[in-house]
Amino acid sequence: KQEVTQIPAALSVPEGENLVLNCSFTDSAIYNLQWFRQDPGKGLTSLLLIQSSQREQTSGRLNASLDKSSGRSTLYIAASQPGDSATYLCAAQGGSEKLVFGKGTKLTVNP
Amino acid sequence: GAVVSQHPSRVICKSGTSVKIECRSLDFQATTMFWYRQFPKKSLMLMATSNEGSKATYEQGVEKDKFLINHASLTLSTLTVTSAHPEDSSFYICSARDLTGQETQYFGPGTRLLVL
Repeated sequence: KQEVTQIPAALSVPEGENLVLNCSFTDSAIYNLQWFRQDPGKGLTSLLLIQSSQREQTSGRLNASLDKSSGRSTLYIAASQPGDSATYLCAAQGGSEKLVFGKGTKLTVNP
Repeated sequence: GAVVSQHPSRVICKSGTSVKIECRSLDFQATTMFWYRQFPKKSLMLMATSNEGSKATYEQGVEKDKFLINHASLTLSTLTVTSAHPEDSSFYICSARDLTGQETQYFGPGTRLLVL
């Protein structure tokens, strides 16, 4: 059974700082790994999707990496801004299409 | 980009009543839709997979008679919480996968259910 863990549970940084969010998964037989953003009381916004054959994906100030063999993914946010404050979720997708989510990392970027 | 809507966004109901939540894919057709539930400070948990024209597949521990799912068209899936109880209070999120076979699931904005 796939289990996804995100560390840290919460992170507070000053504006402008670069930061890394961590995600680990127990079953390396994944189809892809996705990173989402969730604002309080809102739904999910897909940020990046990394296929199992890929090592990383980039979108603007965001870069996500995937190391299947070690069961890890990281989300790198460059030059953080207060608008980046949200909860970031990672989810591993197996062949059955099911997404298994971590509990998320709550990020606060202070002006 | 692909848009998924949910209605209502927030609902308060009395214990014992039934509540229907709609999930619509607005600009694409979805043969498969997923229903998730999120408790505070917990992961999103997949409740069921809804396939157009067939019965939903429920995850272990999810009562199919409690959470009725109907996927009558390629753009609409509904989740009905029957005889709601306070412990059913939660944030319900749907997602949809488009017909083109892309892996990405597009998520709705969620529905906050409060059962009094």
